[in-house]
Amino acid sequence: KAGVTQTPRYLIKTRGQQVTLSCSPISGHRSVSWYQQTPGQGLQFLFEYFSETQRNKGNFPGRFSGRQFSNSRSEMNVSTLELGDSALYLCASSLSGYYNEQFFGPGTRLTVL
Amino acid sequence: DAKTTQPNSMESNEEEPVHLPCNHSTISGTDYIHWYRQLPSQGPEYVIHGLTSNVNNRMASLAIAEDRKSSTLILHRATLRDAAVYYCILRAPNFGNEKLTFGTGTRLTIIP
Repeated sequence: KAGVTQTPRYLIKTRGQQVTLSCSPISGHRSVSWYQQTPGQGLQFLFEYFSETQRNKGNFPGRFSGRQFSNSRSEMNVSTLELGDSALYLCASSLSGYYNEQFFGPGTRLTVL
Repeated sequence: DAKTTQPNSMESNEEEPVHLPCNHSTISGTDYIHWYRQLPSQGPEYVIHGLTSNVNNRMASLAIAEDRKSSTLILHRATLRDAAVYYCILRAPNFGNEKLTFGTGTRLTIIP
């Protein structure tokens, strides 16, 4: 079974631009979660999508948004990029249910200049 | 979410057992204890989880204190591949709540 894939793996943007990251979950997984990882704040939950609906949301500004398609693939978008948005963005998928383990992708490394 | 406390770092010799502690004194009666680890340049990966009884799988063992206020992840024979940051996470049994709340974790260094 193929794992969670994320594209692109690396991205460099400048302040004020917007960016879209993509995540393909494991086949059959309907839940996709996004996390931001920075040296200062560690791993923080952004949001989770299930069956094309945002089901959970973390404490991030509205510049961070996402969506999920009918095939469970997900995208996250960050508008008006700030220097502080430089981070590793991780996507995780799961079957969804009680205590199902989450499977993480390798992440997208975003650098904002 | 109830908080967990872990040492910032630990070292262990290769091929020896490793005991990674986690304190969770405010754990609720229904919270499950999950462990994930993050190898260098990779996303986190699931290790093990449990509620009250000790648990074993092919990767590790989880020993849970009788009062559930602490737990220990046990790697029976550490290899260099086990060098990673280990996260102890409490998860409430809410269907549909996929959120993982990561703490700072323990950075495990394996000495050859």
